[in-house]
Amino acid sequence: AQKITQTQPGMFVQEKEAVTLDCTYDTSDQSYGLFWYKQPSSGEMIFLIYQGSYDEQNATEGRYSLNFQKARKSANLVISASQLGDSAMYFCAMREAAGGTSYGKLTFGQGTILTVHP
Amino acid sequence: DAGITQSPRHKVTETGTPVTLRCHQTENHRYMYWYRQDPGHGLRLIHYSYGVKDTDKGEVSDGYSVSRSKTEDFLLTLESATSSQTSVYFCAISESVPGNTIYFGEGSWLTVV
Repeated sequence: AQKITQTQPGMFVQEKEAVTLDCTYDTSDQSYGLFWYKQPSSGEMIFLIYQGSYDEQNATEGRYSLNFQKARKSANLVISASQLGDSAMYFCAMREAAGGTSYGKLTFGQGTILTVHP
Repeated sequence: DAGITQSPRHKVTETGTPVTLRCHQTENHRYMYWYRQDPGHGLRLIHYSYGVKDTDKGEVSDGYSVSRSKTEDFLLTLESATSSQTSVYFCAISESVPGNTIYFGEGSWLTVV
């Protein structure tokens, strides 16, 4: 069964500094996707970045990058040059490819609350 | 923005009554998901669907049932609501797997008194 673990309930960072949010996963599938979402206090889920298990390069989207270490089964989110608007809950998620028994099941971690200080 | 709507957005109901939440999409996406979000638990998968009439259980499916009779609608039913089912419910849709396009609805706030 797939499992996602985010071990940091809360993180603090100074504005303009970089921060890494941890995510480890467990799966027996070879084909899967890893996602990061941001949920501000308003409640909507905002997609940040995606990494496929076969992607050679680490994914990047603007100030967001995903540090993908396949052998260690980790998919940490790095936010560079933090801004006050980055204060939010962040979720890591994994989805296995269809074809096995999971049929595209999408599982989330428990989340990390990030607070950016001025 | 993806065409995904949840209804009702807010509901207060009494213990023991049935409740149905609806997720409607206009994207013709194959995969649909229902999650609940509670403090300290993140988003937990209740049920999901990988096609019309094809559904499967998630990690917290007890007390919930779903139906998907057409591509655009995924219904979540609480047969007899309990106070432990007070939560925020999110629907999500996706075209492909593992894919990189998952859209979320705005959430439905359910209070069971």
